[in-house]
Amino acid sequence: NAGVTQTPKFRVLKTGQSMTLLCAQDMNHEYMYWYRQDPGMGLRLIHYSVGEGTTAKGEVPDGYNVSRLKKQNFLLGLESAAPSQTSVYFCASSPYQQGIQPQHFGDGTRLSIL
Amino acid sequence: AQSVTQLGSHVSVSEGALVLLRCNYSSSVPPYLFWYVQYPNQGLQLLLKYTSAATLVKGINGFEAEFKKSETSFHLTKPSAHMSDAAEYFCAVSHNNAGNMLTFGGGTRLMVKP
Repeated sequence: NAGVTQTPKFRVLKTGQSMTLLCAQDMNHEYMYWYRQDPGMGLRLIHYSVGEGTTAKGEVPDGYNVSRLKKQNFLLGLESAAPSQTSVYFCASSPYQQGIQPQHFGDGTRLSIL
Repeated sequence: AQSVTQLGSHVSVSEGALVLLRCNYSSSVPPYLFWYVQYPNQGLQLLLKYTSAATLVKGINGFEAEFKKSETSFHLTKPSAHMSDAAEYFCAVSHNNAGNMLTFGGGTRLMVKP
């Protein structure tokens, strides 16, 4: 009963380095999301996907790229990390049904950019 | 466009006292509303959801929320706080569109004093 799994859980990067965060869900959900959480700002949507092979921009997409080559995986990439990207990143998924279906969250990745 | 405002970034109550966490929303369509809870170093867990079936919604751990259209509010309450309720709480409104996206409030951190 894994649900949504995020790897890694913690990471420290230097400015300019690149990395990829992996999200995997075993619930056969159509929709997947990447958020960042910063103090006092709640969760803000970075990118999302409505199905395998599709991605779309959310509220704060700049500096990030995503890919969804397989239905169960959603990858978030930072090509050139900046200190402003220090945050806690959450992945979520939900089934295909508008409005009333809640999103299921992973435990987060704490990312620090020095 | 949808938005959510949570009044009070920090709320402190004594154990056994009433818990009241405030949430006001704006939505261009009939809203679906959610409350999530986040314990330290964990992801978000669904507490309850409003989907227009009933204005008073009961959730897990003794929490409930009342939808008031005239006040555009969806406040979260619990009659008697327990130490284990200490966490951060997020109100969210669904965009009710393809992609099932949510807009989150800034969060309220609940502290429970013995």
